Amino acid sequence: NAGVTQTPKFQVLKTGQSMTLQCAQDMNHEYMSWYRQDPGMGLRLIHYSVGAGITDQGEVPNGYNVSRSTTEDFPLRLLSAAPSQTSVYFCASSSPVVVGAFFGQGTRLTVV
Amino acid sequence: GQQLNQSPQSMFIQEGEDVSMNCTSSSIFNTWLWYKQDPGEGPVLLIALYKAGELTSNGRLTAQFGITRKDSFLNISASIPSDVGIYFCAGPSGGTSYGKLTFGQGTILTVHP
Repeated sequence: NAGVTQTPKFQVLKTGQSMTLQCAQDMNHEYMSWYRQDPGMGLRLIHYSVGAGITDQGEVPNGYNVSRSTTEDFPLRLLSAAPSQTSVYFCASSSPVVVGAFFGQGTRLTVV
Repeated sequence: GQQLNQSPQSMFIQEGEDVSMNCTSSSIFNTWLWYKQDPGEGPVLLIALYKAGELTSNGRLTAQFGITRKDSFLNISASIPSDVGIYFCAGPSGGTSYGKLTFGQGTILTVHP
């Protein structure tokens, strides 16, 4: 029973590099979301999706792209990493018929 | 947008003590969620509240949905070392969908044996 799986767990990037954070869920949940966690600021929504082919912006979308081609996967792309994107990133999945959102273990990203 | 303010920001307590924390909102929420995050892990749902005035327990945890629908409270009784972590309040944004959650800043709890 994997739940929400994120890869990698840790990543160091140089400014300007690109990368994709992977997220997969095996609960057949309709909704998937990406959050970033910074000290003293809680979790802030980056992008979310209500189903395959449908995505929308959250509170802090700049510098990030997403797509949702399948129910299971929701990758987050950083096109040109900046030091301000140093953070811990969490992927979550949820369903209208299940209470709350289920989170992965996070990806700790450092941009130097 | 909606904002959630949690207090206190951090707490240092002795094992066996009770803990109280709260969360206030600038706008009404129809659902309140309380999450706990262990070090190096993602948040895990502890309690969900659906109705103004509702009081719900989960073991040593008790949470209440404020009657104004703009606040919520979490109490932990007889704390133990494994209660250490960050506690977040959260609420669905723009309706009841859990795909868009607004989080408080978190309360960092440290329990001394």
